[in-house]
Amino acid sequence: EAQVTQNPRYLITVTGKKLTVTCSQNMNHEYMSWYRQDPGLGLRQIYYSMNVEVTDKGDVPEGYKVSRKEKRNFPLILESPSPNQTSLYFCASSLFPEGLAGTLNTGELFFGEGSRLTVL
Amino acid sequence: SQQGEEDPQALSIQEGENATMNCSYKTSINNLQWYRQNSGRGLVHLILIRSNEREKHSGRLRVTLDTSKKSSSLLITASRAADTASYFCATDAVDSNYQLIWGAGTKLIIKP
Repeated sequence: EAQVTQNPRYLITVTGKKLTVTCSQNMNHEYMSWYRQDPGLGLRQIYYSMNVEVTDKGDVPEGYKVSRKEKRNFPLILESPSPNQTSLYFCASSLFPEGLAGTLNTGELFFGEGSRLTVL
Repeated sequence: SQQGEEDPQALSIQEGENATMNCSYKTSINNLQWYRQNSGRGLVHLILIRSNEREKHSGRLRVTLDTSKKSSSLLITASRAADTASYFCATDAVDSNYQLIWGAGTKLIIKP
């Protein structure tokens, strides 16, 4: 079954304690991305990756790190979590379907079920 | 950065009625996508419409795109209780470097 798997689904931690949220997809997608979702703010992109060893900042990268050593995995690392990182986190992946005039466009995103993180 | 804006923010209708949600955006796009999110769950892709398309259907869903007005609408016909969810539009802007830009969503409640 095609899926994006995130772990853990729920986590309560304390300020400053390093944590990693894992993300794995089994669809051989080049594109992977991390979002956070907060009430009233919608989805905000943290980091994205267009392929192995290629990562780039999204809109809210401060306080986060990522790596893409393998195509299927894209972990999100919080080196020193703070209470303002309390949020619902989503990992997503996609192919790059060809768009108009042979360009590559962002295609359908497949989302994980989310990881609810609370930092005390 | 938020490009898409959904309208209305919330919508409550009776089961069986049609639901219409709108999305406006600011810059030229390659495509526009609609997603559904059940409470606290992951988003699920509904429809992708390219900039050279005007209308697309998928089951009870109909999406229109008006690039001259920079707007899109999602119509759900014959709504069911299971359609209760939040609906988001996301735009793949021409100069976005493969980043989808999301609206804040429309919360749809279907009353039985």
